[in-house]
Amino acid sequence: GAVVSQHPSWVICKSGTSVKIECRSLDFQATTMFWYRQFPKQSLMLMATSNEGSKATYEQGVEKDKFLINHASLTLSTLTVTSAHPEDSSFYICSAPRGAHSSYEQYFGPGTRLTVT
Amino acid sequence: TQLLEQSPQFLSIQEGENLTVYCNSSSVFSSLQWYRQEPGEGPVLLVTVVTGGEVKKLKRLTFQFGDARKDSSLHITAAQPGDTGLYLCAGDTGGFKTIFGAGTRLFVKA
Repeated sequence: GAVVSQHPSWVICKSGTSVKIECRSLDFQATTMFWYRQFPKQSLMLMATSNEGSKATYEQGVEKDKFLINHASLTLSTLTVTSAHPEDSSFYICSAPRGAHSSYEQYFGPGTRLTVT
Repeated sequence: TQLLEQSPQFLSIQEGENLTVYCNSSSVFSSLQWYRQEPGEGPVLLVTVVTGGEVKKLKRLTFQFGDARKDSSLHITAAQPGDTGLYLCAGDTGGFKTIFGAGTRLFVKA
């Protein structure tokens, strides 16, 4: 069964609005979660590392004020896309590592498809 | 910058054929994972290889880690339509960050 869930699985929003995506670890605690985005027919691009109780670490080129990450509990991380634009349309995937001390093997969520009109 | 290069990027074959996907880097990895992703879903872990020269088998899939832990291969024997998907290799840098290859999109025709 799924060990990482995401909600919603898909969302359509209007340009300029904000969208929140939830990532939950089921039956295990995740002090760290990762957020990726994936464009059609492309690989995963790491956006940021979400750390429980502290600030997220963003990859180069990812705007932290646009992609707000909150990891308020050991089982939940949220990604909020603020003032969304059509170019933000993508497949967003979160993951949580199986191990406590490395990214060695990850459980991935089923993804959230965001379409901004 | 650590990079993982996968080849081929796209592969379309007939059911029953064999194929090999390659994952190469100039960097050494603590471990390397292979994932399979179907459209509209998240990647699912297939295997992890840790030791240089290691070979693991998962039914018709054979995974090999290079002796120097810089490269890996995935060989599928007698491919089936159910094998269709995006295959991703991912290297564990040991620094709590995973590097993903660009992926190999496999299509197996019945």
